Amino acid sequence: LAKTTQPISMDSYEGQEVNITCSHNNIATNDYITWYQQFPSQGPRFIIQGYKTKVTNEVASLFIPADRKSSTLSLPRVSLSDTAVYYCLVGDLNSGGYQKVTFGTGTKLQVIP
Amino acid sequence: ETGVTQTPRHLVMGMTNKKSLKCEQHLGHNAMYWYKQSAKKPLELMFVYNFKEQTENNSVPSRFSPECPNSSHLFLHLHTLQPEDSALYLCASRPTSVGYTDTQYFGPGTRLTVL
Repeated sequence: LAKTTQPISMDSYEGQEVNITCSHNNIATNDYITWYQQFPSQGPRFIIQGYKTKVTNEVASLFIPADRKSSTLSLPRVSLSDTAVYYCLVGDLNSGGYQKVTFGTGTKLQVIP
Repeated sequence: ETGVTQTPRHLVMGMTNKKSLKCEQHLGHNAMYWYKQSAKKPLELMFVYNFKEQTENNSVPSRFSPECPNSSHLFLHLHTLQPEDSALYLCASRPTSVGYTDTQYFGPGTRLTVL
């Protein structure tokens, strides 16, 4: 399993764009990159997933450079409700019908009024 | 609301008690997971079931006993737990068909306190 490294915490003011970068130097050819969001005392929630280049949905954008050794989650114009822990995961979607992934420590984002 | 439910939401038990946590999903998923999340620690994968068969046991102590009677239900039977087992226990399910966007759908968790 590719190991991921993220900053432990980040602070941002409301209305700003937040970029959280994740390093995954040992990413394998079949690995996808997935980001989850977790609020206190709740289960993680899927945000976005990608393999290469850029992916955008209604919540966030995911930027993946050509070498795929890192990825950046971009949250546009954050609000107080975006305060949460954000996890970057790397795993093979085709690994024997199920996927074992490892959640790291994540990045605790604190949005400040 | 993810479609994965867990009961009970809160549980307080003594070290000699026996209790069970229940997870249920009707999303048609065939993979189900148990995770443990202790305070200020990452999520720890405990067990994985794939098509009702246990495919992963992440060196979990035998005082935790999982059961998957069908693809929609997952149980975690608890007995003679220790105070350090107090944590948030999360269940997740995941589709296993080809061509999906890989996503684990998490339940709200059971907050377990062992006295």
